Amino acid sequence: SQQGEEDPQALSIQEGENATMNCSYKTSINNLQWYRQNSGRGLVHLILIRSNEREKHSGRLRVTLDTSKKSSSLLITASRAADTASYFCATEGNFGNEKLTFGTGTRLTIIP
Amino acid sequence: KAGVTQTPRYLIKTRGQQVTLSCSPISGHRSVSWYQQTPGQGLQFLFEYFSETQRNKGNFPGRFSGRQFSNSRSEMNVSTLELGDSALYLCASSLSPSGGANDEQFFGPGTRLTVL
Repeated sequence: SQQGEEDPQALSIQEGENATMNCSYKTSINNLQWYRQNSGRGLVHLILIRSNEREKHSGRLRVTLDTSKKSSSLLITASRAADTASYFCATEGNFGNEKLTFGTGTRLTIIP
Repeated sequence: KAGVTQTPRYLIKTRGQQVTLSCSPISGHRSVSWYQQTPGQGLQFLFEYFSETQRNKGNFPGRFSGRQFSNSRSEMNVSTLELGDSALYLCASSLSPSGGANDEQFFGPGTRLTVL
């Protein structure tokens, strides 16, 4: 079963604009991670945010985490055509449920 | 440093057959996890191995099994294949097992299994 729901399911924006994707989850977590996947290939790890962190940056990526709302957001600034991909959030649970559970994904299309 | 490798990359089988997929983790990584990805169910956790021991298991039938060798390489086996087993099977490795270490998982390119 899916732990997370991602919103929106699909997003199309013009190159240069910012893209925001949201992820909600259900149970308590150790950390939340964001991954990118290009056309049915393997996943590429983007960023990991721990449960005691609220915001994290990596290059053009900004991730926020609100554990009280059980939600996270991924912001990609100044989007490029190469950012076109599916983006997944994944949560690592705790207390005997440490497996990585993925959300449903957001399909991002950057229009040149 | 070489990434996670999975073999074979593509596989076609018929219903009732069995299949074995292989995963070689990044050198030094001792934790290997397997995931199934389908259009309908998305990415679902199969199992995790660390130091040759299964640590976590997802909600899959007993037809799905795995093991890890002393060199951390892992295999998963699916017996009595069904049409619904057609999927991309992804393997991921990390330094430490899941559960508080907050280690990044590195994914392989996947094995695309088609069951006819």
